[in-house]
Amino acid sequence: QVQLQESGPGLVKPSETLSLTCTVSGGSISSYYWSWIRQPPGKGLEWIGYIYYSGSTNYNPSLKSRVTISVDTSKNQFSLKLSSVTAADTAVYYCARQRLRFLESAYYYYMDVWGKGTTVTVSS
Amino acid sequence: SFELTQPPSVSVSPGQTASITCSGDKMGDEYASWYQQKPGQSPVLVIYQDSKRPSGIPERFSGSNSGNTATLTISGTQAMDEADYFCQAWDSSTVVFGGGTKLTVL
Repeated sequence: QVQLQESGPGLVKPSETLSLTCTVSGGSISSYYWSWIRQPPGKGLEWIGYIYYSGSTNYNPSLKSRVTISVDTSKNQFSLKLSSVTAADTAVYYCARQRLRFLESAYYYYMDVWGKGTTVTVSS
Repeated sequence: SFELTQPPSVSVSPGQTASITCSGDKMGDEYASWYQQKPGQSPVLVIYQDSKRPSGIPERFSGSNSGNTATLTISGTQAMDEADYFCQAWDSSTVVFGGGTKLTVL
């Protein structure tokens, strides 16, 4: 079955750019949407954005100015860049497969496979 | 912006039924999903499209959605069900999560 694994630096300095990669194994990255979600210590989940395997993206408006999500289908990977980080960006970052469902005139998304998460701390 | 509100905590005795609510404006017009997260683990999808269970999720997990409230119901609650539960919806091109509910089985 499909498995996701996040990777990247666990410590990032304030004002720098956080960079993470999610490697998809056990299946192809093609034909699906892929997302990043984060969870600050002791808090709830926050959706960061998604990318379709073709490269189209959609970001959380609250983070849009600082976020870039990209995909490399040849490596079965997608990546997150979050610029100008502060302590408020300290969190566990998860990658997930985001499923799209059409029902009559409506559509919706949900996340059916998650990575184990990686902790990123923003500190000097 | 669309917001989802959950009670911070719910308690239930083993074997009883637990209900966790998720409220939002016209939530019944959206499709709700629910995730279970145990300490130190990543979230697991337990309900999607209001009431559908992914394969491998026990039948004691069920869901409903009407009016302004989606509800996750756990029948015959077991100690292993103790976890945080998050609801989620899609609105205005954004994935929205509820704040989460800590379910205590005591």
